[in-house]
Amino acid sequence: QVQLQESGPGLVKPSETLSLTCTVSGGSINNYYWSWLRQPPGKELEWIGWIYSSGSTNYNPSLKSRVTISVDTSKDQYSLKLTSVTAADTAVYHCARYFDAGGRHYLDVWGNGATVTVSS
Amino acid sequence: EIVLTQSPATLSLSPGERATLSCRASQSVSSYLAWYQHKPGQAPRLLIYDASNRATGIPARFSGSGSGTDFSLTISSLEPEDFAVYYCHQRHNGPETFGQGTNVEVK
Repeated sequence: QVQLQESGPGLVKPSETLSLTCTVSGGSINNYYWSWLRQPPGKELEWIGWIYSSGSTNYNPSLKSRVTISVDTSKDQYSLKLTSVTAADTAVYHCARYFDAGGRHYLDVWGNGATVTVSS
Repeated sequence: EIVLTQSPATLSLSPGERATLSCRASQSVSSYLAWYQHKPGQAPRLLIYDASNRATGIPARFSGSGSGTDFSLTISSLEPEDFAVYYCHQRHNGPETFGQGTNVEVK
């Protein structure tokens, strides 16, 4: 059974870069689309972007200028970098996998989430 | 971007009762809508995809319906483990978006 685990610093200073890694276990990262999402306190889930195992990406336009998602297939990991963070980036960050429902893709496996606080 | 509006925000019910949750899209998403269950500190769980298909391992008491802009998730008889927050999600057009959630709580 595929499991996802987010890891990275829980505290980031304003203006610095938030970096998180998602480790895939129990299955391969190859031939799937993978996503990053976040949920600020008291707010709804927000999609950050996705990456395919080949490295192609798609980002939420609201975050595109600050986001980079990359993949390391040799380690079955993919990563998120978010630059120039502010308090508004404080959230629980989830990684998740898409499954192919006949050409449409939905998030079928999620990590438990990593809490990231932006504060000096 | 497509805005998903869920109602009600909170649903107070007792075990054994029927729960009906609504999700309305600001423009058509065809049938490309999913529902998730989320409990605090846990990973969200995919319940329904393509508006009405149950995901693997999801009990038959969960059902989804709708197309276009109006969707619903029904839990036919609430079990104790069903009390949670439920989100709808679309990725039909533009950036993927989620509803703000419906909290199904014990009455």
